[in-house]
Amino acid sequence: DAGVIQSPRHEVTEMGQEVTLRCKPISGHNSLFWYRQTMMRGLELLIYFNNNVPIDDSGMPEDRFSAKMPNASFSTLKIQPSEPRDSAVYFCASSSQRGVTDTQYFGPGTRLTVL
Amino acid sequence: AQRVTQPEKLLSVFKGAPVELKCNYSYSGSPELFWYVQYSRQRLQLLLRHISRESIKGFTADLNKGETSFHLKKPFAQEEDSAMYYCALMETGTYKYIFGTGTRLKVLA
Repeated sequence: DAGVIQSPRHEVTEMGQEVTLRCKPISGHNSLFWYRQTMMRGLELLIYFNNNVPIDDSGMPEDRFSAKMPNASFSTLKIQPSEPRDSAVYFCASSSQRGVTDTQYFGPGTRLTVL
Repeated sequence: AQRVTQPEKLLSVFKGAPVELKCNYSYSGSPELFWYVQYSRQRLQLLLRHISRESIKGFTADLNKGETSFHLKKPFAQEEDSAMYYCALMETGTYKYIFGTGTRLKVLA
C-alpha cells in the first residue's frame, strides 16, 4: 500500500492564482483530514470529511479556501485567489474510524509557496 | 475550548541525557491522547497513544488527569530521536484531532 498520496509535492505560484491540492486516502478509510503546517502555528486542522461528507470546516481560514470529496478515493483543497500568507505545507490524512483510537495516516504533504 | 499546548518550540539535549517534552490539554470530556513524530524528510506518524500504555523507541507518556498533562519522556536520548513531536487530542465521538504547535527536539552529540 502506497499510503496516503498527495499531489503535487511542491507548488510555486504567484499571488492571485488558483491552487488545487489533491489527496488520495488509503483504500478503505472513511475519514479524511486536511491540515496546514506553519512554523508559527504548527499543525492546524482545516477541514475533515467522514464518508465523503464535510463534518467540520471551522478551521478553513477564509472563503478563499474550499474543499471537496467527490468520492471515497479523492479529495481536493482549493485556494482561490492565493496569497503569500497561504504559503505552508498542506497535509492530508486518513483514518478508518473503526475503533475508538484509530490512527491517522498522513501523506507526504504539499509544500506551497505563493510569491 | 479544547486545546493542546506544547510550551516549548525547541528543546535541545545532549545524547544520553533524559528528555521530557511537555504537553498540556484542555478538554471537557475523557481525552484520547497521542504523540505523533515527524522525522526529517519523513511523514508525520503515530509514536504512541495513551490508551495503549506502551513504550515505543524508549519513549513513554503518562496521562495525568489531575494536571491535564501528557508529557513524553525518554531516560536516555539518542541522536536519531531528533525530530518534530506533536501532541494530539482526539475528540471522542467526532474523531476530530486537535494538535499542539509541536516541539522540535534536537539531540546533540
